[in-house]
Amino acid sequence: GENVGLHLPTLSVQEGDNSIINCAYSNSASDYFIWYKQESGKGPQFIIDIRSNMDKRQGQRVTVLLNKTVKHLSLQIAATQPGDSAVYFCAESFGGSNYKLTFGKGTLLTVNP
Amino acid sequence: GAVVSQHPSWVICKSGTSVKIECRSLDFQATTMFWYRQFPKQSLMLMATSNEGSKATYEQGVEKDKFLINHASLTLSTLTVTSAHPEDSSFYICSARRAGTLAKNIQYFGAGTRLSVL
Repeated sequence: GENVGLHLPTLSVQEGDNSIINCAYSNSASDYFIWYKQESGKGPQFIIDIRSNMDKRQGQRVTVLLNKTVKHLSLQIAATQPGDSAVYFCAESFGGSNYKLTFGKGTLLTVNP
Repeated sequence: GAVVSQHPSWVICKSGTSVKIECRSLDFQATTMFWYRQFPKQSLMLMATSNEGSKATYEQGVEKDKFLINHASLTLSTLTVTSAHPEDSSFYICSARRAGTLAKNIQYFGAGTRLSVL
């Protein structure tokens, strides 16, 4: 049968379009969330974070939305560029775990020129 | 700021040998460093949490005698894969968390080390 662990969710967009990457987190006690970008063969790069007392936070070309009711996190990238092509991971943590990060499965974003 | 250097970036070794991977925070002090393992097209799995001056805390299922961690200073942690075998081949990534700032919960990652055991 298919090994789902080898198949990342994928999102393909055209250059200039906006991208929305979604993430469902598991722990209702999580109070801190981070989005990371990982290019092939490299370590994750911090993009943006958000605490549970907020539902939206904006950075440069990126916006993170948090819906605690349904335990959902999203990353919006405006005017997506080829350099944005990478795997994007959401990570959750909470103070009771000393803020260890638990990573989601990741989404492969491909930007077509 | 917040640069984490990891060395080596790629290592090939014979089965049964040990390999040491270094993780350094170059421009900040890190009271806590983390070691992750990542298989192709999969997410990062936390192996252990390394606190300066104390023993590492290992995640369930990670053999502490197999993966030795030392965090001797506020800027350096090392992971030694002892008696490596082909199943230990993987991408190992470290991260460091800043001490004493409001952004202290952000982990900054090294570039990773690809280990291939023959």
